[in-house]
Amino acid sequence: DADVTQTPRNRITKTGKRIMLECSQTKGHDRMYWYRQDPGLGLRLIYYSFDVKDINKGEISDGYSVSRQAQAKFSLSLESAIPNQTALYFCATSDSQLSQNEQFFGPGTRLTVL
Amino acid sequence: LAKTTQPISMDSYEGQEVNITCSHNNIATNDYITWYQQFPSQGPRFIIQGYKTKVTNEVASLFIPADRKSSTLSLPRVSLSDTAVYYCLVASRAAGNKLTFGGGTRVLVKP
Repeated sequence: DADVTQTPRNRITKTGKRIMLECSQTKGHDRMYWYRQDPGLGLRLIYYSFDVKDINKGEISDGYSVSRQAQAKFSLSLESAIPNQTALYFCATSDSQLSQNEQFFGPGTRLTVL
Repeated sequence: LAKTTQPISMDSYEGQEVNITCSHNNIATNDYITWYQQFPSQGPRFIIQGYKTKVTNEVASLFIPADRKSSTLSLPRVSLSDTAVYYCLVASRAAGNKLTFGGGTRVLVKP
């Protein structure tokens, strides 16, 4: 969805480095999510936020942190990257007032940790 | 969140109808059934959602029997561009739109 953007699209980094992935949306949605996807597998929820002051851990939050700087921005940080965090990361948004379970996904960030 | 089971992969040919069945035996009263499509290196895209009986849109149809313990996504007259992974999800508004993506069904459409 072009209304959900992620930067960078690709990133190669080294073990121990701090990395920030950013997500912005122009859909005006209140809810935002971060997922990771490993090759051949489904998506796993890392963190989610229902509003600017709301942050919740997902299924696999260890090693990650997030910040909801504004309704439109939700960033994911890896404080000290490790190789098994190599994955495809997706940001998504949804509107709590609209369709039950429809989320809108960004194009993804491919992260490689060497 | 209700767990879902769906086939790992399916092959089809252009012009055929593809039906993917998903089992969700412990679906709760407030749960909705939602299907997403994902192309390689892209984020998932919402296809269709339903609660019971039949739902149809411009992309697909969703059939849900009375007991709601399974559902079938039907893709009419598929083309090569329908090759993708299809995910069946079950969730309720009480879950706060938290979605659990399983492994999905990899559909390969052949010429």
